[in-house]
Amino acid sequence: QSVLTQAPSVSGAPGQRVTISCAGSDSNIGAGYDVHWYQQLPGTAPRLLIYGDTNRPSGVPDRFSASKSGTSASLAITGLQPEDEADYYCQSFDTRLRTVFGGGTTLTVL
Amino acid sequence: QVQLQESGPGLVKPSETLSLTCNVSGGSISPYYWSWIRQPPGRGLEWIGFLYFSGSTNYNPSLQSRVTMSLDTSKNQISLSLSSVTAADTAVYYCVRVRDSSILSHWGRGTLVTVSS
Repeated sequence: QSVLTQAPSVSGAPGQRVTISCAGSDSNIGAGYDVHWYQQLPGTAPRLLIYGDTNRPSGVPDRFSASKSGTSASLAITGLQPEDEADYYCQSFDTRLRTVFGGGTTLTVL
Repeated sequence: QVQLQESGPGLVKPSETLSLTCNVSGGSISPYYWSWIRQPPGRGLEWIGFLYFSGSTNYNPSLQSRVTMSLDTSKNQISLSLSSVTAADTAVYYCVRVRDSSILSHWGRGTLVTVSS
């Protein structure tokens, strides 16, 4: 059971917009700690996708965006492409358990 | 561009100690935080701990009694030791460079460690 809760799967057709949510609590996201997002393509290591709630590292397309409100955060992908098919993880800090991850969401491009 | 390469035994017997090394190239160990993250087959990510270049550490409370992270600046290497392993410790172990104390910015390719007799 992960401290941050993500839906196990989400899907969308090419060109569509999908969102991936990350639900936390007052001891992590709700306490104001940064949320970071990672993309893990099949058979590869995760890579940083979004940091500090909303910031994209260089090289990440602007189709990827993120937001945070209250005890939750979300990742949005617009103009869905086949190469976006991957697992997505949120990460934050928890005052009780230190660094924590969501359980991951598998994105399927139909 | 910094590159991280994990290495170590791919098979460890139950109750023994898992030992991994992360070779850092293309950059220095200082002044960064470093982390180990693991991922059991088919499952999600689990944070093991943080190691600062000064040698200070911060471990996952669920693993704290069994984990030791250390560094060797002369070799530009990070090390992980996990004692009294069980099958539940079977996972891909990633070495990660940390930015701004929490951003897992650079990941190694990972190494699979299987715990089995």
